[in-house]
Amino acid sequence: TQLLEQSPQFLSIQEGENLTVYCNSSSVFSSLQWYRQEPGEGPVLLVTVVTGGEVKKLKRLTFQFGDARKDSSLHITAAQPGDTGLYLCAGEDYEGTSYGKLTFGQGTILTVHP
Amino acid sequence: KAGVTQTPRYLIKTRGQQVTLSCSPISGHRSVSWYQQTPGQGLQFLFEYFSETQRNKGNFPGRFSGRQFSNSRSEMNVSTLELGDSALYLCASSFQGGGANVLTFGAGSRLTVL
Repeated sequence: TQLLEQSPQFLSIQEGENLTVYCNSSSVFSSLQWYRQEPGEGPVLLVTVVTGGEVKKLKRLTFQFGDARKDSSLHITAAQPGDTGLYLCAGEDYEGTSYGKLTFGQGTILTVHP
Repeated sequence: KAGVTQTPRYLIKTRGQQVTLSCSPISGHRSVSWYQQTPGQGLQFLFEYFSETQRNKGNFPGRFSGRQFSNSRSEMNVSTLELGDSALYLCASSFQGGGANVLTFGAGSRLTVL
């Protein structure tokens, strides 16, 4: 059974601060995806990383996939209240037979105060 | 391009009843996955369908079932409802892109079992 440990579980910060969310596993994943979910809505894909060591930037968000494809991080620079939400990491089975099955981390609830 | 549509958005049932949830995927997407989201367990994979065939199944009891129609629309059914089945049920349609299986989620159906 693949598990993704996501930390921290809760993050409450002031506008303008930086933060990092971590996603770790003992399993290798073929891809690692990050989603953001707002209350009453389904998760929305932010980014997909597929290559070990890959770094992707999305405005103030930086995503990194570990060299061994077992871990990932999300870094937000100068957080804004609009960044508030539930952040989820999700890994796709390395063997490529996941067929729609992603293993999700428990999520990080981020609150950015004005 | 319309997104993933789930109906109903909210429903209340009592223990022992059954429920059917519906999902219309993005046009052209042939894979539909279902997930259960609860505060304690996070997002857990239920099953995935492609071209009317179940290709993958999570670790849920047989009370949880699903099907897919020729137009890719999918339904999931939960029989003999238990209090613990209260959750947000999310449907996602997907395509294989950029080396990863990319999911687009609907807004979910929130089920409350009394």
